[in-house]
Formats: sequence, C-alpha cells, structure tokens
Amino acid sequence: EAQVTQNPRYLITVTGKKLTVTCSQNMNHEYMSWYRQDPGLGLRQIYYSMNVEVTDKGDVPEGYKVSRKEKRNFPLILESPSPNQTSLYFCASSPQPGELFFGEGSRLTVL
Amino acid sequence: QKEVEQNSGPLSVPEGAIASLNCTYSDRGSQSFFWYRQYSGKSPELIMFIYSNGDKEDGRFTAQLNKASQYVSLLIRDSQPSDSATYLCAVKRGTALIFGKGTTLSVSS
Repeated sequence: EAQVTQNPRYLITVTGKKLTVTCSQNMNHEYMSWYRQDPGLGLRQIYYSMNVEVTDKGDVPEGYKVSRKEKRNFPLILESPSPNQTSLYFCASSPQPGELFFGEGSRLTVL
Repeated sequence: QKEVEQNSGPLSVPEGAIASLNCTYSDRGSQSFFWYRQYSGKSPELIMFIYSNGDKEDGRFTAQLNKASQYVSLLIRDSQPSDSATYLCAVKRGTALIFGKGTTLSVSS
C-alpha cells in the first residue's frame, strides 16, 4: 500500500529537549516536504527536498532542521523545541511539487 | 496581499446543490493549481489539479482556472453530506507549494 508514515503521531515534550519526527514514504517519490498546520494560519511549509542531499527552506524554517540521506526518509529535527512550535505537523511526498501525498500527521505539544 | 486567499466560510449548502469554492492568488507567474480536501482530524488529500485556463471535470468536481483574473475555483455538483470538509487551494511557486487557509464546507441533509 502506498503511504507516507510519520512517527510519533502524538508527542508531549518540554522546552529544549531535542526531538526528531520521522517520515518515510514507499512510493519512490523524489519530492518530500514538511508542513505545520495551525488554527487561523493554515498549512505552512517548513522545509522541502527535491532529492537526496537536496533540501531547501520553506516559509517557516526557523527552529527546524531536516536531512535527506535516503530517498525514502525525510526526518524533521527540532534541536531546542519551544512552545511556539506546538503544532500539527504533516510530511508529504510526490513525484514532483504539487500532487502531494500526506502522512497522517504528528501532533506535537511543547510545554 | 496574501499569496493565496480563500474565504474561510463556513459555506453552507443543502444536499444536492452546487457548492462553489473560490481562491485567488497573487503571483501572476503561477502555473499549477491544486485543490485538497481535509476532513476534520485527517490529513489533506488531493482531489484535483489544473494547469490550463478553462474547466477541468472529474466526476462531480469541476476546477476552473482564469489566469488573467488570477482565480481558481472548485465546483461540487450534487453536494453530499460526505463532502463536508475544509477545502484547501494550493498554488505552485517554483518548487514550493503554497496553501490558502481553506474554506469550510457544510452540506446539510
């Protein structure tokens, strides 16, 4: 089954404790992207990757890091989480930008 | 001016009616346009894309694009309660995809 898998789905953490949200896709897609979704602000792009070792900033990259060492994986790293990073995070992939397949989302709370 | 704008709604229509969802964008050079549907508590799913001026039909859904006026719309014919969701318009900007905030549609039976 074609899918984008994110883990963890739910996480409560404390300010400053490094965390990683993993994302894996099994469709051999070249393009992968991370979004955060907040009430009243909609979906905003954090980072995206056109291919292995090729990443670029989206509209809200501050406080996040990503890596793309393998085609299927695109982890999102929060080195020092802060309460304003409390959000619903979505990973997505596609053959090219636009026709995105989304993961189920990861709800993160930073206390 | 926001890059992609949608009326947040809610847009309420009775079952069987046509629902019309609209989206405007600011970058005149945009070439690709997408509509996603997001049910409450779920992830967005792609329902249609359109690249050329005019209409594109897929079942009960029709996407309309007018590049001169910089708007794209989604028509849902014979609306069903199961169509109740938030509809997100997205515009491709280079290699990034920019989303509007979405319009919530409520279809009453």
